[in-house]
Amino acid sequence: DVKVTQSSRYLVKRTGEKVFLECVQDMDHENMFWYRQDPGLGLRLIYFSYDVKMKEKGDIPEGYSVSREKKERFSLILESASTNQTSMYLCASSDRGTNTEAFFGQGTRLTVV
Amino acid sequence: QKEVEQDPGPLSVPEGAIVSLNCTYSNSAFQYFMWYRQYSRKGPELLMYTYSSGNKEDGRFTAQVDKSSKYISLFIRDSQPSDSATYLCAMSDYKLSFGAGTTVTVRA
Repeated sequence: DVKVTQSSRYLVKRTGEKVFLECVQDMDHENMFWYRQDPGLGLRLIYFSYDVKMKEKGDIPEGYSVSREKKERFSLILESASTNQTSMYLCASSDRGTNTEAFFGQGTRLTVV
Repeated sequence: QKEVEQDPGPLSVPEGAIVSLNCTYSNSAFQYFMWYRQYSRKGPELLMYTYSSGNKEDGRFTAQVDKSSKYISLFIRDSQPSDSATYLCAMSDYKLSFGAGTTVTVRA
């Protein structure tokens, strides 16, 4: 059974903390994505990576950074968490070719207080 | 302007009705058009995809793409309570872009 695993389902952090969200996939996919999902706004792309050590900004990269040191792992970093980063964060992976099927993790519900 | 526009609903229909969902987009480079289904507290899962313009049918689900109008649709025939979920359209050039999602409730 193919899997994208996110390290935490629920996370509560304080304003100003540095936050790491980890994602691991076991499908040998080249592409990995980080989205945030908010009511009425859908999935908004934060960053994506199409290869190890490669990354590209998505639609809302401000306040975030990413790291991809190994093919199977893609980390999202909130350098200094703020309350407006309270959201559901979803990681996904897909084959490089057509990008037609992305497999998603269960999501991390992050609350910044 | 967002690249992908989708009415978030919500949409409530009786069991057996036809559900009609649609999205519009602005990026002519999109080649692949997908529909994802997301149940509560789960990540989205691919329902079906189409390449370029045309129709695709899979059981009770039909996806349509009209590239000239930059408009895609998903129809669910004979809807069931188990179809209650959020449906998200997605489009791909070299990255995946999603609509806001439409929450559908099928009443028994």
